[in-house]
Amino acid sequence: AQSVTQLGSHVSVSEGALVLLRCNYSSSVPPYLFWYVQYPNQGLQLLLKYTTGATLVKGINGFEAEFKKSETSFHLTKPSAHMSDAAEYFCAVSETGGGADGLTFGKGTHLIIQP
Amino acid sequence: KAGVTQTPRYLIKTRGQQVTLSCSPISGHRSVSWYQQTPGQGLQFLFEYFSETQRNKGNFPGRFSGRQFSNSRSEMNVSTLELGDSALYLCASSSNQGGDSPLHFGNGTRLTVT
Repeated sequence: AQSVTQLGSHVSVSEGALVLLRCNYSSSVPPYLFWYVQYPNQGLQLLLKYTTGATLVKGINGFEAEFKKSETSFHLTKPSAHMSDAAEYFCAVSETGGGADGLTFGKGTHLIIQP
Repeated sequence: KAGVTQTPRYLIKTRGQQVTLSCSPISGHRSVSWYQQTPGQGLQFLFEYFSETQRNKGNFPGRFSGRQFSNSRSEMNVSTLELGDSALYLCASSSNQGGDSPLHFGNGTRLTVT
């Protein structure tokens, strides 16, 4: 079975500071990993995904994430936070070949940007 | 290309009633998944349909059901509503069934059960 742990239900950073959102996963097979963002009263929007190949993945809005198999981690970073980055962020895992459990999401991290 | 459309956006129902939610996927997408989002449990997988067949199902009671039509549009039904069914229900579509296919989400239907 697959699972995702996001460390910190709330993360607060100052505008212009580094954003680091942590995600650790558990999977019995090589995983596919995703980060999604959710703005208030909206659905989820894909930020980036890791399937195979390069372990550093670049996404939209200046975000990137690095897949570290030895640490079973897929942390999300952005060099300089912007006020518009305030939202809920979800890490998700899907086992290769689709799997029977759909996409498994972490509990989410609420990112707060201080002016 | 139009995104995933869910209707209605908001619903208020009474305990014991049933409800049907609708989802129109992105044109050309044949896979439709449903998720329940609550503050306590987060995002939980309900089921997935591909070419009118339910391929995967999450750990929800039989009161939760769904179907997919030949045009890939999908509906989910919840019968005998309980207070705990109050949630945001999200529909997502993808171009194929592979685990590497990203999901494209609609804005959800917020169901309130009183």
